Amino acid sequence: LAKTTQPISMDSYEGQEVNITCSHNNIATNDYITWYQQFPSQGPRFIIQGYKTKVTNEVASLFIPADRKSSTLSLPRVSLSDTAVYYCLVGENSNSGYALNFGKGTSLLVTP
Amino acid sequence: EAGVTQSPTHLIKTRGQQATLRCSPISGHTSVYWYQQALGLGLQFLLWYDEGEERNRGNFPPRFSGRQFPNYSSELNVNALELEDSALYLCASSRAQNIQYFGAGTRLSVL
Repeated sequence: LAKTTQPISMDSYEGQEVNITCSHNNIATNDYITWYQQFPSQGPRFIIQGYKTKVTNEVASLFIPADRKSSTLSLPRVSLSDTAVYYCLVGENSNSGYALNFGKGTSLLVTP
Repeated sequence: EAGVTQSPTHLIKTRGQQATLRCSPISGHTSVYWYQQALGLGLQFLLWYDEGEERNRGNFPPRFSGRQFPNYSSELNVNALELEDSALYLCASSRAQNIQYFGAGTRLSVL
């Protein structure tokens, strides 16, 4: 299972773009990159998943370079409600067995 | 479509007792995962069930066990509760090993 490394915390002002980078040097060929968001005392919420290049949805964008050893979650124009912990996970999207390792994530604080 | 539901929301037990936590997955999802999140820590993987079978287990003692029923709902049982078992227990469901969707969790307090 590929290990991921993210910053422990980040601060931002409302309205700014926030980029959270995750490094996963040992990513395997079949691994996908998935990001979750978690508010205190709630279950994590799926944000976005990608395999390579760029993925965009209504919430965020995910940028993955060609070597796939890192990925960047981009949150456009953050608001106070985006204050949460963000987890980067790497794992297979197949029928083989694996366990997701959430780690400690990145704690994002958005202030006015 | 209903999301993942967990019950009870809160559970208070004393040391040495047993706790049973329940999870109903999203309709059509066959895999159920259990995680433990102690205060201020990340999620620790506990158990993974798929099609009624235990597929994988995290680094937890045998007093943490569970099962998955024919309707894909699941129970997590924790025997001989210890103070350090106090945590938020989260259940997630998915189709096969695709994206996991989480419930709101059960807050277990061991006194």
